[in-house]
Amino acid sequence: GQNIDQPTEMTATEGAIVQINCTYQTSGFNGLFWYQQHAGEAPTFLSYNVLDGLEEKGRFSSFLSRSKGYSYLLLKELQMKDSASYLCAVSLSGGYQKVTFGTGTKLQVIP
Amino acid sequence: DTEVTQTPKHLVMGMTNKKSLKCEQHMGHRAMYWYKQKAKKPPELMFVYSYEKLSINESVPSRFSPECPNSSLLNLHLHALQPEDSALYLCASSRGQGADEQYFGPGTRLTVT
Repeated sequence: GQNIDQPTEMTATEGAIVQINCTYQTSGFNGLFWYQQHAGEAPTFLSYNVLDGLEEKGRFSSFLSRSKGYSYLLLKELQMKDSASYLCAVSLSGGYQKVTFGTGTKLQVIP
Repeated sequence: DTEVTQTPKHLVMGMTNKKSLKCEQHMGHRAMYWYKQKAKKPPELMFVYSYEKLSINESVPSRFSPECPNSSLLNLHLHALQPEDSALYLCASSRGQGADEQYFGPGTRLTVT
């Protein structure tokens, strides 16, 4: 089976930095996505990591360690609008389009 | 145009009804997906169409029947649903070349009474 774990909830202060972790144990692995989902809205793409290391995209960065089955999403200079759920999702081998989502982390940004 | 549209936005149906959900994209994407999302849960993959052929069926009950009439359209036909099928149904599309970013539609909020 597929096991993708994230913390359920996190709270952080506006202007601060927050790291959202994701650990996975899956049968096969192509890469790992991060999506943002505001309440009542569709998920939107943030990043996709295939190789080990850190990828930076503006205020958001994503890290992957394939050997450890571990990823994190780093959000800098937090803004109130960053309050949302953050979903990591694994692209499984044997079918590139097959993506399994983690449990999601609900982030609340407070003033 | 980077938009995936879904209709209707909301749907209430009885257990004996037949209804359809529709999804459309004009980005030239060749992979389209149906996901089911219950409240406070992540999306669960139901079906994947790749180049208009059904490539993945995640053991979804036959009361859900997908259809891909052409590369821009994806339907989900519903029949004899159960109250536990009430959820947000999300459609997504991707280029279809390897593992690509998926673009999600706004979803259809389905309530089965």
